[in-house]
Amino acid sequence: EADIYQTPRYLVIGTGKKITLECSQTMGHDKMYWYQQDPGMELHLIHYSYGVNSTEKGDLSSESTVSRIRTEHFPLTLESARPSHTSQYLCASSTQGANQPQHFGDGTRLSIL
Amino acid sequence: KNQVEQSPQSLIILEGKNCTLQCNYTVSPFSNLRWYKQDTGRGPVSLTIMTFSENTKSNGRYTATLDADTKQSSLHITASQLSDSASYICVVSDRGSTLGRLYFGRGTQLTVWP
Repeated sequence: EADIYQTPRYLVIGTGKKITLECSQTMGHDKMYWYQQDPGMELHLIHYSYGVNSTEKGDLSSESTVSRIRTEHFPLTLESARPSHTSQYLCASSTQGANQPQHFGDGTRLSIL
Repeated sequence: KNQVEQSPQSLIILEGKNCTLQCNYTVSPFSNLRWYKQDTGRGPVSLTIMTFSENTKSNGRYTATLDADTKQSSLHITASQLSDSASYICVVSDRGSTLGRLYFGRGTQLTVWP
């Protein structure tokens, strides 16, 4: 089992609130990723990081922001949540190398009222 | 446009039966193809990876095949168990960037009935 943890697992919150989704991994992986997944749809990459102080936007436009101050920690922040942000957010990490698998956390199910 | 298409969208089988899931892709250049299993409420877990030179690879009751010429892959599950109920996601990686960009299919939702 991969050691990557996401908190909270579920979050129901009102519009306009600031939200931070936590993701931590204990494997020392340099690469980390955030995906958005809706039911029956493919995963969409919204942010990724190659290492400390490295962050890039993914393919899917997102109003969220990320930071990578420590190798093991890759939090995602929504400054002002809206109902359109309702989704499942998956965090993943991997080592360097083209054929290395991504290890996923169990996700945060976010519902904005 | 690089795409990954999976079929069927959903599948119901009886415990003990075999099944085959399909994945067709148009991703180019091709680096590898990976099958993930995603249990309800959990993150995806890698089952197997296929590189360009590999045709078949097994992981227990899971057998993946790859035809790089026709850009097709299949995942065969033998003697299904209730615990095989999950979404199976096909993911293709290209060689076009240092990131090794991933292209995800929408998954096949497999339900195994007793």
